[in-house]
Order: sequence, then structure tokens, then C-alpha cells
Amino acid sequence: AQKITQTQPGMFVQEKEAVTLDCTYDTSDPSYGLFWYKQPSSGEMIFLIYQGSYDQQNATEGRYSLNFQKARKSANLVISASQLGDSAMYFCAMREGIGSYQKVTFGIGTKLQVIP
Amino acid sequence: GAVVSQHPSWVICKSGTSVKIECRSLDFQATTMFWYRQFPKQSLMLMATSNEGSKATYEQGVEKDKFLINHASLTLSTLTVTSAHPEDSSFYICSALGLAVDEQFFGPGTRLTVL
Repeated sequence: AQKITQTQPGMFVQEKEAVTLDCTYDTSDPSYGLFWYKQPSSGEMIFLIYQGSYDQQNATEGRYSLNFQKARKSANLVISASQLGDSAMYFCAMREGIGSYQKVTFGIGTKLQVIP
Repeated sequence: GAVVSQHPSWVICKSGTSVKIECRSLDFQATTMFWYRQFPKQSLMLMATSNEGSKATYEQGVEKDKFLINHASLTLSTLTVTSAHPEDSSFYICSALGLAVDEQFFGPGTRLTVL
């Protein structure tokens, strides 16, 4: 079974509009963490936002917010006021395990294109 | 923030040769590092988890004799692609976990092309 599912291969959004990128996950660990990364064409992985499984509030980082619905096992990324520079691949990832048994696995990604 | 470097950033080699990629945490000690490979327009596929002082844990389907991982110190992990073939051509990325649960620092990646 897929650990991380991103069902939107590609998304378009008008500049200055908000966009939601979907992510669902599957784990039996009670303690886990969810990341969103941006990967521009240069290949570098840029950290955007993190949500811990025990965090009571949804994470926010500037224009990025994470809509965390634990019961539904979803962790959607919301980008507000989209900018042209937001065009990139976006990956959802999950951290499981503890100590030397930790691992981080990625979804297949969503390609976001911001239209002027 | 913390910095992870990778060397080389790109390499072209002949089929049958071995290539070593280094991943260094520059300003922190990393007990756990991960190695990923990424094919064009695809996701990052976790290859193995590298823990300092112990054997790496490989994901299912990853040949441990093909992809040798050594994590001899808290700041260095190496991935050696042995007897490389054209199908090993890919983008290899390492990451290191920080002390906080939300810390995972990525290297800039190594683009390997095997002729």
C-alpha cells in the first residue's frame, strides 16, 4: 500500500489565487510527522512546512498552511496568494519510526503551474 | 539553517566503473542519513537509511551489493554505485535528520550519468 498518496499529477492556479494540494497518508505509528517540500527545476528540495501527529493546531508558515485532518489521514497544503515563483513540483512526505528506525517516504508529487 | 553538501554534484562515468558519492553534514552531527534516487519527473524513492556506526537498512528491491553505503562518522555518509550501468543513471539525493522532529536537511543532489 502507498504510504503517501498525492492524487493530483498537475495543477494550474491563477496568480494571486489560493490553491490546495492534496495529500493522504497511511501509517499505524501513533507518532509521525508530515512534511511538504518544493522542488524547482534546479532539483533542490526546499522545506515548506511540517505537521506533527500530536500537534493540536494546523501548521502555518507564511503563505503556506497545512490542513491537517488526522481522522481522515489527510495533510493538504494550502498556498495563498500564489506567485509565479511558486511554479514547481510539490512533494508530501511522512516521517515514521524512532531512533535508528526512522524513515521518510515521499508521495509522487504534484506539478503546480501558476498562470499570470 | 543546517547545511548538507554532496560531492560530486554531477558525474559521468563509463559502464562497469564504480562511483562514490559523499554526503556531509557541515554544521551538525547527523546520526541518521537517507539516500534517495529520483528519475526524471518522478518522486524521490528511498533507497536506504544510513545510521552512523551500523549497517545501512535497505528498502525492498534495492541491491545492497550494488549500492554500498557507509556511514563511518557523524558527518559523513557515502554511497558507492558499484559496476555502474546506464540504468543506474539518476539523480541521487541524500538527507540528514536534525535533532528536532521537523528537521530534515537535503543535499543538493548528484546527477549520475552512466555511458
